[in-house]
Amino acid sequence: AQTVTQSQPEMSVQEAETVTLSCTYDTSESDYYLFWYKQPPSRQMILVIRQEAYKQQNATENRFSVNFQKAAKSFSLKISDSQLGDAAMYFCAYSSNTGNQFYFGTGTSLTVIP
Amino acid sequence: DAGVTQSPTHLIKTRGQQVTLRCSPKSGHDTVSWYQQALGQGPQFIFQYYEEEERQRGNFPDRFSGHQFPNYSSELNVNALLLGDSALYLCASSFITSGFTDTQYFGPGTRLTVL
Repeated sequence: AQTVTQSQPEMSVQEAETVTLSCTYDTSESDYYLFWYKQPPSRQMILVIRQEAYKQQNATENRFSVNFQKAAKSFSLKISDSQLGDAAMYFCAYSSNTGNQFYFGTGTSLTVIP
Repeated sequence: DAGVTQSPTHLIKTRGQQVTLRCSPKSGHDTVSWYQQALGQGPQFIFQYYEEEERQRGNFPDRFSGHQFPNYSSELNVNALLLGDSALYLCASSFITSGFTDTQYFGPGTRLTVL
C-alpha cells in the first residue's frame, strides 16, 4: 500500500517570509498524482496545489510552489511571502493514476508569526 | 456554484446506535468519497461511490456502508457505533474522466461524537 510521510508535525514562519513543508511517499507505481491540501481551524479541506507525476515541471499556484523529486519520492511545498491566513494544517496526499483513493500524511501544523 | 455540502454539522450518539451522514457533491461532479479523520490525524479513506455503486473501499469494517443516489448525493451509514468511531467525517466529490477520478474537493465535514 502507498504511504505518505510528513516528518514535520509543526512548523512556524514569520509573516512575509518563506517556509518549506516536507513530504515523502512510497509507491511502486510510475504514474500518480500528488496534492497539498490546507485545513484551517474551520476544518474545510482546501486544495492548494496539484502535481502530475509524469510532468517534470514543478507546479506553481501564486505564492505556492512545489519541489517534486520523483526519483527521491519527495514532494515539498514552498510558501512564499507567508500571510496570517496561511496558518493551518497542511496535508500531503497521494492518488494513483485511477484516482480511486487518496492517501494522506499526518499533517504539518503551520503557524504564521506576525 | 455550490461546493460540497454535508449534513449535519455535528452529531452526538451513544454506543450501539446507528448514524447516517449526508453529502451533496459539487455541481458537475459524479463521484463521492468518504473519509474518517480522527483528531490530530490525516483523513483515512472509507469508500468511493460512482454510478450508485461502491467503486473502492478502504480498510473499514462492514459496519460502515454507503449509498449514492441518482442525483449523485451520498449517504454514509455507520451501525453499532463504537467510541472509536468518534471523528470528523469528510465527504469529497470529483469527476471521473476515462476511468480516472480527478481532483477531490472536500466538504466541511460532520463531527461525530460517540458517548
